[in-house]
Amino acid sequence: AQRVTQPEKLLSVFKGAPVELKCNYSYSGSPELFWYVQYSRQRLQLLLRHISRESIKGFTADLNKGETSFHLKKPFAQEEDSAMYYCALPASKLTFGTGTRLQVTL
Amino acid sequence: AAGVIQSPRHLIKEKRETATLKCYPIPRHDTVYWYQQGPGQDPQFLISFYEKMQSDKGSIPDRFSAQQFSDYHSELNMSSLELGDSALYFCASSPGTGFYEQYFGPGTRLTVT
Repeated sequence: AQRVTQPEKLLSVFKGAPVELKCNYSYSGSPELFWYVQYSRQRLQLLLRHISRESIKGFTADLNKGETSFHLKKPFAQEEDSAMYYCALPASKLTFGTGTRLQVTL
Repeated sequence: AAGVIQSPRHLIKEKRETATLKCYPIPRHDTVYWYQQGPGQDPQFLISFYEKMQSDKGSIPDRFSAQQFSDYHSELNMSSLELGDSALYFCASSPGTGFYEQYFGPGTRLTVT
């Protein structure tokens, strides 16, 4: 069965500090993984997907098949990055992780 | 660009009543998904439709039913509402099933009193 684990419910960092949101997955096939973000009172929106290998808003994520991880990273956190972040494994439906709330403080 | 539209945005119902939530996908998207997000919870998949047929089913209670119509919009019907049904209900659409990005609507917040 497919499963996504985000071990941290809350991650609080100072502005300008590096950020790493952890995501581990369990999937029998070749995975395609997404990171979704939900800003306060806004809809879920796709932040990035591993297959595109692009950087969005300074965030990157690398799929590590050996460690079955897809951690989201940003070298310098900004206040506007404060949001809920969900790692998701798509197939016929999205399997979401439990989400990590990123709080960026001054 | 057109996004996923959901109506209503907010709905307040009493226990044992019935509610109908509507979702209008992005034009030319043939797949619709429904998710339920309880307070402080992650989104849980309920059900999905591809080309007007149910394509997958998740943790949807038997009291709930859904369908996708010929114009691809979808409705989630919820009967015998319980307090625990209070949640944010998201609809998402994609241009096919599988590894496509899902575009989410703003959600319908259902409060059962």
